[in-house]
Amino acid sequence: QVQLLQSAAEVKKPGASVKVSCKTSGYSFTYYGISWLRQAPGQGLEWIGGIRANSDETQFAQKFEARVTLTRDTSANTAYMELKNLRFDDSAVYFCARAYLSTVPFDFWGQGTQVTVSS
Amino acid sequence: DIVMTQSPLFLPVTPGEAASISCRSSQNLLDDNGYNYVDWYFQKPGQSPQLLFYLGSNRASGVPDRLSVSGSGTDFTLKISRLEADDVGTYYCMQSLQTPYTFGQGTKLEIK
Repeated sequence: QVQLLQSAAEVKKPGASVKVSCKTSGYSFTYYGISWLRQAPGQGLEWIGGIRANSDETQFAQKFEARVTLTRDTSANTAYMELKNLRFDDSAVYFCARAYLSTVPFDFWGQGTQVTVSS
Repeated sequence: DIVMTQSPLFLPVTPGEAASISCRSSQNLLDDNGYNYVDWYFQKPGQSPQLLFYLGSNRASGVPDRLSVSGSGTDFTLKISRLEADDVGTYYCMQSLQTPYTFGQGTKLEIK
């Protein structure tokens, strides 16, 4: 069955970087893009960016573009999101989600990774 | 960015009754190919969201036909009939016409 398994929770200091992984299985990784979203405590969903299938083409929300790097390792069926220069308000649950060929719609989601920014 | 506005934000409901959630976009989401670029997601407490509908009215796999969507352009509605306890959670609309993809604030459905 389709699975997107994300890396464990992280605690980081302000200014540090975090890299979250999304290991996929149960489907052909090359045909699906991966989007990354986040949800702050008690808040709604926010799209960060995505990486298309079969390419390294990325799309970002402008507010994240300068601080986010999205990559995919086809040999490992895994996607990665690195967020740099962390701020307190980056504390959130980060989700990866797959989308057929593109970066939307999100038909399967990872379980979420809690990222806490604390001094 | 396209702004998505949902109403109501909280929706107490009685099991067996129907519920309706409205979603309004700040821009026309109807493309020249006739698709409305709006998707709907449902998130149970403590879980990841799940896709309900995409490109307007396309039902995702496993979504019961008690749920339906309507609307076009800038105004959309999600309807849930014969409410069940398992429907409790938060419903989001999202525009997928252009990046950044943007969500409504969410409508939290609760059992009375």
